[in-house]
Amino acid sequence: RKEVEQDPGPFNVPEGATVAFNCTYSNSASQSFFWYRQDCRKEPKLLMSVYSSGNEDGRFTAQLNRASQYISLLIRDSKLSDSATYLCVVNLMNYGGSQGNLIFGKGTKLSVKP
Amino acid sequence: DGGITQSPKYLFRKEGQNVTLSCEQNLNHDAMYWYRQDPGQGLRLIYYSQIVNDFQKGDIAEGYSVSREKKESFPLTVTSAQKNPTAFYLCASLLAPGDTEAFFGQGTRLTVV
Repeated sequence: RKEVEQDPGPFNVPEGATVAFNCTYSNSASQSFFWYRQDCRKEPKLLMSVYSSGNEDGRFTAQLNRASQYISLLIRDSKLSDSATYLCVVNLMNYGGSQGNLIFGKGTKLSVKP
Repeated sequence: DGGITQSPKYLFRKEGQNVTLSCEQNLNHDAMYWYRQDPGQGLRLIYYSQIVNDFQKGDIAEGYSVSREKKESFPLTVTSAQKNPTAFYLCASLLAPGDTEAFFGQGTRLTVV
């Protein structure tokens, strides 16, 4: 089983739609969780951290369910500028092995159409 | 402003040449990472370093080498042993394991000519 799994998409949605991304992780030692956004041929940039209580930043809402080892990202009222790849990232407390402590999902591609 | 800087942005390598990619950070972060990203693919870990003068191999270390002589710097050398080096290379740094986010440099696009 892969450490962090995401639906690769692509998700093709119209402007104004609500879209949800899911991510599951396998390592119960996972300490903190993040969603990054990566535009084509650019570096990943932090979108938001994910907390057990859930957190919201404008049109974006992130949720963490530790019991189910599941992270989600909800985007409301999609804009054309939201088109990008969204990476789920897990930060383990302990380094180890050839993956280090930062575990990335392969990303979910979102394309918002007019 | 603090940040992480990679250079050059674009790099061309001839077959059989070694090239070195630079990564510098002034965030006072202990941990630094090198990733490779191929078109349409996820990030794959090449090497990482938790502290000065120490580093560990990632999933795809063969054909690469690194050094960590200073906290701020983590250069990556792509050697001639790396048979398919054309890719987008990303450097990242992290304050501490467990509870902080990683910061990325702008990336270096390496092409073999």
